Amino acid sequence: DARVTQTPRHKVTEMGQEVTMRCQPILGHNTVFWYRQTMMQGLELLAYFRNRAPLDDSGMPKDRFSAEMPDATLATLKIQPSEPRDSAVYFCASGLVKGTMRLAHEQFFGPGTRLTVL
Amino acid sequence: AQKITQTQPGMFVQEKEAVTLDCTYDTSDQSYGLFWYKQPSSGEMIFLIYQGSYDEQNATEGRYSLNFQKARKSANLVISASQLGDSAMYFCAMRENKSGAGSYQLTFGKGTKLSVIP
Repeated sequence: DARVTQTPRHKVTEMGQEVTMRCQPILGHNTVFWYRQTMMQGLELLAYFRNRAPLDDSGMPKDRFSAEMPDATLATLKIQPSEPRDSAVYFCASGLVKGTMRLAHEQFFGPGTRLTVL
Repeated sequence: AQKITQTQPGMFVQEKEAVTLDCTYDTSDQSYGLFWYKQPSSGEMIFLIYQGSYDEQNATEGRYSLNFQKARKSANLVISASQLGDSAMYFCAMRENKSGAGSYQLTFGKGTKLSVIP
């Protein structure tokens, strides 16, 4: 049963600390997305990759957030320094794009990382 | 303007009854996809159903069906024979083909909280 995995599941840290969240996409998927969910803003796209190349990170605060895909099995989202307003659930999702829109269907979400910045 | 509008913050339905969750969308693209996700209290995002803008038939997946009215730009989710396990947040989402570049991120609505009453 292929699943997206995310670590850690929960993270509590103090303001100013670095936070790194990791995601293992489903094997064979060629797109990876990072979303953030808060009560106020709902689900927002932060960044996404296709074939490991960043295609859009316009939703991400550039001064403190960075997203990378060092290889096809690992995506990372880093916050440095973290702030209380970064407290949220961070979801990673992966999907398979095979060319036309008709064939590019659902994104599969990981369980999320619940981040609390004190 | 919001891309995805879910006007029902909360809904109640009697067990075994059918329920419709509303979703309207805004796009100027001709080619786009519409999705519904379920988020139970455990937090994971579960894909339910997909409708492509060129699909002539309404999508169905088991007890889920999507009432797609393209001219009205609506994509309502219908859950038949509600079960207690259907109690969750439900999110409508859209994928647009931005600039023809194959932009595959999802834009989510604020969600509808469905409560199934025994």
